[in-house]
Amino acid sequence: QQPVQSPQAVILREGEDAVINCSSSKALYSVHWYRQKHGEAPVFLMILLKGGEQKGHEKISASFNEKKQQSSLYLTASQLSYSGTYFCGTVGSFTDKLIFGTGTRLQVFP
Amino acid sequence: EADIYQTPRYLVIGTGKKITLECSQTMGHDKMYWYQQDPGMELHLIHYSYGVNSTEKGDLSSESTVSRIRTEHFPLTLESARPSHTSQYLCASSDLRDVLSGQYFGPGTRLTVT
Repeated sequence: QQPVQSPQAVILREGEDAVINCSSSKALYSVHWYRQKHGEAPVFLMILLKGGEQKGHEKISASFNEKKQQSSLYLTASQLSYSGTYFCGTVGSFTDKLIFGTGTRLQVFP
Repeated sequence: EADIYQTPRYLVIGTGKKITLECSQTMGHDKMYWYQQDPGMELHLIHYSYGVNSTEKGDLSSESTVSRIRTEHFPLTLESARPSHTSQYLCASSDLRDVLSGQYFGPGTRLTVT
């Protein structure tokens, strides 16, 4: 039931791009994305709804494939501040509970 | 400034003690949540609430209880702490009326039971 994220970890140099994937076995209503820096609370980045509505940061983009129950987060021209663990969260079509994924640790080096 | 607060930030307590973790938010959000997170691991939902006098259990079985007497306040209580309760506890809130609302997290309480 828990969404699976891939890759588990990513190492980048500043300016490089990354894609983080989130896959669920259940029909989805929405996908959330959060970033958590070490020792801090998760911070909301983006939400994508079934049907196309979405809301998020200007510099971060994401896609939601409703048929495949998958979402991808696109980080372009990465900055040092992008380092942290990224979690997707999914809300199923028949529930309103947000279930967090397994997490992807991203490290950006100068 | 609208925010979400948790106290205490750190707590070390002996086995068998009763503890209450406090969570308050000033954003007027109806929905509130408690998550448990071990270091470097994913978040597990243990309780949530739609509003005053509403409480629901999450996906992770927990011996804790919650109450929601006021919109802004959502405390979590452990009647008898055990070493297995050692973890970080995160409180969050969201706007029930906004389908595009994400969850806003407090700073967390790191609990150690000796």
